[in-house]
Amino acid sequence: DAGITQSPRHKVTETGTPVTLRCHQTENHRYMYWYRQDPGHGLRLIHYSYGVKDTDKGEVSDGYSVSRSKTEDFLLTLESATSSQTSVYFCAISGSYGEQFFGPGTRLTVL
Amino acid sequence: GNSVTQMEGPVTLSEEAFLTINCTYTATGYPSLFWYVQYPGEGLQLLLKATKADDKGSNKGFEATYRKETTSFHLEKGSVQVSDSAVYFCALKPQGAQKLVFGQGTRLTINP
Repeated sequence: DAGITQSPRHKVTETGTPVTLRCHQTENHRYMYWYRQDPGHGLRLIHYSYGVKDTDKGEVSDGYSVSRSKTEDFLLTLESATSSQTSVYFCAISGSYGEQFFGPGTRLTVL
Repeated sequence: GNSVTQMEGPVTLSEEAFLTINCTYTATGYPSLFWYVQYPGEGLQLLLKATKADDKGSNKGFEATYRKETTSFHLEKGSVQVSDSAVYFCALKPQGAQKLVFGQGTRLTINP
């Protein structure tokens, strides 16, 4: 168990509302990641962080922002949710050999 | 660039059959290679890894050998069980990078 939790686990929201997903780790790892998983697209990297206040974009970052004010927490924000952002969102941390350990996921539905 | 190509699924086998899921990669230098498994409704779990050529990763009866000459990392298991039904992802970490490159995943179904 890599000590990663995500909250909420499920969320239904309306188009145009802001949404924040939280990832929390107890492992004190430097690197953290946010992915989305959609049928037919596999896993796609949204943003990642390499330290407190240090973040960078992934391949599908449009419409998303992130923040990391503490080592243990990495927040993903959808400023104005759209139906195309309906997905399952996974957080991950990076281990000693570069392998990643994933959280249980958040299922987000945007109506 | 870096990429991972996995055997297309879905794959359906009978219990106790031999499993192979093919994975080939393109990368410069010496990447690290991984297999992940995802059960329904759960996150990805690291199944096994290999960090240098000729390394064999193994876990829960699954094995994969890092073959640099054929740029492959095929997943094998000698006798599958119904509980092995899941989606399997091959991934690589390029040398010097901190991001993973994932294959598209292979859905495996084992029938009793």
